[in-house]
Amino acid sequence: KAGVTQTPRYLIKTRGQQVTLSCSPISGHRSVSWYQQTPGQGLQFLFEYFSETQRNKGNFPGRFSGRQFSNSRSEMNVSTLELGDSALYLCASSLDTSNYGYTFGSGTRLTVV
Amino acid sequence: GQQLNQSPQSMFIQEGEDVSMNCTSSSIFNTWLWYKQDPGEGPVLLIALYKAGELTSNGRLTAQFGITRKDSFLNISASIPSDVGIYFCAGRSPPSGSARQLTFGSGTQLTVLP
Repeated sequence: KAGVTQTPRYLIKTRGQQVTLSCSPISGHRSVSWYQQTPGQGLQFLFEYFSETQRNKGNFPGRFSGRQFSNSRSEMNVSTLELGDSALYLCASSLDTSNYGYTFGSGTRLTVV
Repeated sequence: GQQLNQSPQSMFIQEGEDVSMNCTSSSIFNTWLWYKQDPGEGPVLLIALYKAGELTSNGRLTAQFGITRKDSFLNISASIPSDVGIYFCAGRSPPSGSARQLTFGSGTQLTVLP
């Protein structure tokens, strides 16, 4: 079955702009989590969605937001981009919120210039 | 917040050698996961551990959930070139409010020399 699909794979944006990233989970998976990966901070949790509801949120500013649709697809949005937002954004899906061995997508590489 | 110390940061080994890496936490975890990440890809789950003292194997990989619940190690036996990549440990502490996210270690970069 298809894995977790993230689009786009690469993105270049200018400071101050906003960006929307998309994640399609594995079919049947209802939980979607987002992580930011940078060389300096490593993998850091952004938020988790289940059944269209945000269940948990990491320590990121309000410029980072997300949502989940009824088909479990999820989007995350970053407004007023800063240079420090340059990172690999990873989406992971699992069957439900009790399953921690979730599957990651290949990520979206965001570069802010 | 929780801290996960993963070591070593990098390793250079000869093909065929065994490898060991570990993670320690400042607090108790009730789940330990080990992931491998190849360049340009997302992490791939290798082994999941759910019980203190648990020892689990996946082919040439073996991982253990420390008895104190504050540490875990991953061993790779008879390394091969395709073992190259970054290995991450990840853990989750016991239920506390709505906290469910994983805390990741900083990764171990493994290089296998022919």
